[in-house]
Amino acid sequence: NAGVMQNPRHLVRRRGQEARLRCSPMKGHSHVYWYRQLPEEGLKFMVYLQKENIIDESGMPKERFSAEFPKEGPSILRIQQVVRGDSAAYFCASSLSSRETQYFGPGTRLLVL
Amino acid sequence: QKEVEQNSGPLSVPEGAIASLNCTYSDRVSQSFFWYRQYSGKSPELIMSIYSNGDKEDGRFTAQLNKASQYVSLLIRDSQPSDSATYLCAVNLQYNTDKLIFGTGTRLQVFP
Repeated sequence: NAGVMQNPRHLVRRRGQEARLRCSPMKGHSHVYWYRQLPEEGLKFMVYLQKENIIDESGMPKERFSAEFPKEGPSILRIQQVVRGDSAAYFCASSLSSRETQYFGPGTRLLVL
Repeated sequence: QKEVEQNSGPLSVPEGAIASLNCTYSDRVSQSFFWYRQYSGKSPELIMSIYSNGDKEDGRFTAQLNKASQYVSLLIRDSQPSDSATYLCAVNLQYNTDKLIFGTGTRLQVFP
């Protein structure tokens, strides 16, 4: 049973470019969460999605960041016009249902030059 | 006050000893508590979950929860050098959605 998959594992972007991070949840999981981990800091919640719905985006910056989880395909976290401060590890987690254990993917490490 | 607090460490223990990791949280109505282990450069890996007051044991790991004191701990018995990692405490707040609030983690070093 494959775990949570994320790609790419490493992503380098120049300031002003767009970054697209993809997450495929564990088989059978329909709840997806995105977290960001800045260097030497803890994990911070960004957004919680179910298929075709954003449930909680209270941790998402108001500008440049968006997330989706379409009916078909992976969840996508999109960062427009990246800045150096966006450099971080972005982790996706999935769970079977509400309030169940969240399992994390390997993360995407974004570096903005 | 931070919502979830942990001592950043490092906590250094000799091989074979018991490592005790502590976490306090601010929201009295929190319901679900998790310990994750994160090796450097890797993703968080679930160690234990606990929902009720008392102790929960799984192999060398024991989680302890005291809701009255808003305190959750993780004990690692017979610590091994491979246990050296950062241990993250995470709390699921009842009134909110499913988001986890993480502490900044405690770095554990087990020396031979």
